[in-house]
Amino acid sequence: AQSVTQLGSHVSVSEGALVLLRCNYSSSVPPYLFWYVQYPNQGLQLLLKYTTGATLVKGINGFEAEFKKSETSFHLTKPSAHMSDAAEYFCAVLIYNQGGKLIFGQGTELSVKP
Amino acid sequence: NAGVMQNPRHLVRRRGQEARLRCSPMKGHSHVYWYRQLPEEGLKFMVYLQKENIIDESGMPKERFSAEFPKEGPSILRIQQVVRGDSAAYFCASSIGTGKLINEKLFFGSGTQLSVL
Repeated sequence: AQSVTQLGSHVSVSEGALVLLRCNYSSSVPPYLFWYVQYPNQGLQLLLKYTTGATLVKGINGFEAEFKKSETSFHLTKPSAHMSDAAEYFCAVLIYNQGGKLIFGQGTELSVKP
Repeated sequence: NAGVMQNPRHLVRRRGQEARLRCSPMKGHSHVYWYRQLPEEGLKFMVYLQKENIIDESGMPKERFSAEFPKEGPSILRIQQVVRGDSAAYFCASSIGTGKLINEKLFFGSGTQLSVL
């Protein structure tokens, strides 16, 4: 069975500081991993995804994530937080042999202080 | 090209009433997914549909919930005899549907917030 755990339901950083949102997964097969962002009153938007190949994945808005198989992690980072980054972030793993069902983590709310 | 459209944005129902949530996928998309987001939780998969077919309903509660995606018109998620525990945000997503989602993108709607009084 596949699952996703996001460590920390709330993360607060100062503007300009490093953003680190943690995600650990459990999968018996090579995982396909995603990060989504949800702004208030909006649907989810894809930030980035890892399927195969390079383990450091770059996404939109300056975010990137690194797939570490040995640590079963897919942490999301951004070198310098911006006020507009305040949102809820979800890590997800794809059950690819079932047509495309995503298993989501519980989400991490990112606050950015001026 | 409009995105995934869900309506209504907010739906209030009293216990025992029926709730109908609509989802129009992006143009050209033939695969629809419904997810539910309970307070303080992540999204939980409910059902995956193609036109006129339910592909995977493993996340649907056994009773009171049903979904359809007819040949014409939007996908409908129907909840009969709603209870307070049904209060949640319901999100619809669509994809082109090549069968290889790793090569695709899921586009999400803005959701319907269901409140049961």
